[in-house]
Amino acid sequence: QEQLVQSGAEAKKPGASVKVSCRTSGYPFSDYFVHWVRQAPGQGLQWVGLINPGGGSRNYAHQFQGRVTLTRDTSTRTVYMELSSLTSEDTAVYYCARGIFGPVIYDHWFDLWGQGTLVTVSS
Amino acid sequence: QSALTQPRSVSGSPGQSVTISCTGTSSDVGTYNYVSWYQQHPGKAPKLIIYDVTKRPSGVPDRFSGSKSGNTASLTISGLQADDEADFYCCSFAGRYTWVFGGGTKLTVI
Repeated sequence: QEQLVQSGAEAKKPGASVKVSCRTSGYPFSDYFVHWVRQAPGQGLQWVGLINPGGGSRNYAHQFQGRVTLTRDTSTRTVYMELSSLTSEDTAVYYCARGIFGPVIYDHWFDLWGQGTLVTVSS
Repeated sequence: QSALTQPRSVSGSPGQSVTISCTGTSSDVGTYNYVSWYQQHPGKAPKLIIYDVTKRPSGVPDRFSGSKSGNTASLTISGLQADDEADFYCCSFAGRYTWVFGGGTKLTVI
């Protein structure tokens, strides 16, 4: 069964870092990109970045450059998102999502999602 | 990268059709036919309903259809049902291996 299972909720203080995991199963780990998307309370979806689990290449949304790092562990089929210098504006549910691509490698759509991880930043 | 523009809300009665627009720029929606749509019920993860502007994943009813003209993509839901009530988001490739979502539209089935 194809699934993405994320780590549990986190509570952090401003200035701290958080690392969220996304464990994949049921499909070839290296064959599909993994994207991260966040959703602040009552707000819309915001694309954070993506990683190619096969080669490790990654890219980030401009607004997160320098604060976010995506990594992967091929032995455990797990992808990680670390976000640093947290502020209250980073309070959100963070989702990982599998990026299926078509004939063109940047033609992605997100067909499988994790359950989401709530990150709360508060002093 | 600015979010794509969607109406904040739309509504319709059971059996009717509604259309949700998603307006971007020539840097995203206008250039690439890589627009997808997602349905999100409260407290749930988003669900893919349209990809590549017009394609439906298996299992998604043909009541859901997508289109695009210029910088604007659209999602049409025909034969509205009570369970269609949810938030809907568009997403587009925006170049340089980045993606951008719309602000979301709340669909109310009256």
